[in-house]
Amino acid sequence: DAGITQSPRHKVTETGTPVTLRCHQTENHRYMYWYRQDPGHGLRLIHYSYGVKDTDKGEVSDGYSVSRSKTEDFLLTLESATSSQTSVYFCAIRGQGLNEKLFFGSGTQLSVL
Amino acid sequence: GQNIDQPTEMTATEGAIVQINCTYQTSGFNGLFWYQQHAGEAPTFLSYNVLDGLEEKGRFSSFLSRSKGYSYLLLKELQMKDSASYLCAPISGGYNKLIFGAGTRLAVHP
Repeated sequence: DAGITQSPRHKVTETGTPVTLRCHQTENHRYMYWYRQDPGHGLRLIHYSYGVKDTDKGEVSDGYSVSRSKTEDFLLTLESATSSQTSVYFCAIRGQGLNEKLFFGSGTQLSVL
Repeated sequence: GQNIDQPTEMTATEGAIVQINCTYQTSGFNGLFWYQQHAGEAPTFLSYNVLDGLEEKGRFSSFLSRSKGYSYLLLKELQMKDSASYLCAPISGGYNKLIFGAGTRLAVHP
């Protein structure tokens, strides 16, 4: 299994508070992705990174920011959490080759009350 | 932009064959993934296609037509454990932006 760890696995927070989710990899893969998954919507891309300090927006980036200061860590921040951001968040990593697979972390269940 | 279409739900009988279709439009194309996701779990890799044609892997096969923006996943000899969501994800050009379709929820009945 690919070395990818998400933390925390579960979090409950209040509306208006900042939240940071961490994705850590030990594979030295170039690409890292943050997705959210809600019933009826499948996986939706929030932000992704194609290298250290190189990030770009996905489909649903409003209200989220990311940072990648080193290869192994990709942080997702909700500056001021809202109830609509209650979701399951998945991080994924992928190597640089054309046929490299995407490996997912176990997910973070975030509840914003 | 990117458009990906898959049927929302499908049902099939144990032992049968089912085909799950995916149509897509992307800016640039670097291949297409199929992933399986059981309820409450992370998605897991099934197949990758970058050239036109059929890739066979045991009970699962995946087909790609780049000119038509079309792919399908074929599941043979269905088993109950195949009940899951199946996600299609074309890889766009440039920096490998990876967007998934909404997924097809497959229910296999005895």
